[in-house]
Amino acid sequence: DVKVTQSSRYLVKRTGEKVFLECVQDMDHENMFWYRQDPGLGLRLIYFSYDVKMKEKGDIPEGYSVSREKKERFSLILESASTNQTSMYLCASSKGQLAYEQYFGPGTRLTVT
Amino acid sequence: AQSVAQPEDQVNVAEGNPLTVKCTYSVSGNPYLFWYVQYPNRGLQFLLKYITGDNLVKGSYGFEAEFNKSQTSFHLKKPSALVSDSALYFCAVRESSSASKIIFGSGTRLSIRP
Repeated sequence: DVKVTQSSRYLVKRTGEKVFLECVQDMDHENMFWYRQDPGLGLRLIYFSYDVKMKEKGDIPEGYSVSREKKERFSLILESASTNQTSMYLCASSKGQLAYEQYFGPGTRLTVT
Repeated sequence: AQSVAQPEDQVNVAEGNPLTVKCTYSVSGNPYLFWYVQYPNRGLQFLLKYITGDNLVKGSYGFEAEFNKSQTSFHLKKPSALVSDSALYFCAVRESSSASKIIFGSGTRLSIRP
């Protein structure tokens, strides 16, 4: 089975802190994604990566950056956390360039105070 | 631009009754459609997808979805609901500009009462 793990289930940070969210997948998938999930808004794509060191902006990239130095690992960085970044963050991976399903991690609930 | 709409925030069904969770889509070109489920305190899980072929797609946990091109709909169905089906359900469509990206709907909370 595909396994996508995220470094923390719950995280509390202060406004202005730099925050790192880590995601690791073990199925050699080419594509990795970061979403945020907010009630009534569904999932919104922040960034995705289709290869090592490659990244593309999603729908809401402002205030975020990403890093993919190894195929299995995709990091989301909040350069200076703000209260409006309090949310559930979900990482996902998928293979190839076709419409393959995405596999999700358990999520990180981030609270910025 | 591609989009999906889930017109119901919440659906309530009695256990044993059939259930339907609605989804409509807007795409340019052929639609690639998905359903995902999120159980409480867990990540999303893939349920089923429509790429091409038979309009009735079968997926995990006894769920199926019916693709209707004329109505641009992809409703999720199950003949007999279980209390354990209570969860948050998301419809999604592939972004045509990038085969890897999918766009999610806002979600429908399904509640099954005993």
